Amino acid sequence: AQKITQTQPGMFVQEKEAVTLDCTYDTSDPSYGLFWYKQPSSGEMIFLIYQGSYDQQNATEGRYSLNFQKARKSANLVISASQLGDSAMYFCAMREEDSNYQLIWGAGTKLIIKP
Amino acid sequence: EADIYQTPRYLVIGTGKKITLECSQTMGHDKMYWYQQDPGMELHLIHYSYGVNSTEKGDLSSESTVSRIRTEHFPLTLESARPSHTSQYLCASSVMGVVTDTQYFGPGTRLTVL
Repeated sequence: AQKITQTQPGMFVQEKEAVTLDCTYDTSDPSYGLFWYKQPSSGEMIFLIYQGSYDQQNATEGRYSLNFQKARKSANLVISASQLGDSAMYFCAMREEDSNYQLIWGAGTKLIIKP
Repeated sequence: EADIYQTPRYLVIGTGKKITLECSQTMGHDKMYWYQQDPGMELHLIHYSYGVNSTEKGDLSSESTVSRIRTEHFPLTLESARPSHTSQYLCASSVMGVVTDTQYFGPGTRLTVL
């Protein structure tokens, strides 16, 4: 079974609009962490935001926020006021204690911001 | 700010050649990783290391080998490159084994084997 599911292979969004990228996960481990990374066309992986399973509040980093719904096992990334430079692949990943702290990756969502 | 470096950034090479992809980090991280990624696809872990003289195979079978003689250096070697090895190779590092830890990535090496 897929541990990390990103259901949107691709998205087009108008510049300056907010965008939500979906991520659902599957784990029975009570202690886990969820990560979002951005990968521009140049290829590097850029860490965006982290949410811990015990964190009481949703994580925020500048224009990025994580909509963490623990009971639904979802960790959607929200980008406010999108910019052309946000066009990239976005990957959701999870780390569990049971998986020896290795990251488990989703298949990614390709986001294209339209001017 | 992540300080992890990979060389070369791009490599085009013929079948049968031996190649080494370099990865270095200046953050003093114990754990290092190599991932293989085809364009637009998810990452697959091929090797990782807990520290000096430690190397482990990842989830994806790979014909490559790695070594960890120094904390900061984690090179990946292909003894005989084949077209099936054409891919992007990403190196990452992190602090040892905590759930909260973040992996930081290098810029990647895009390998093409003709």
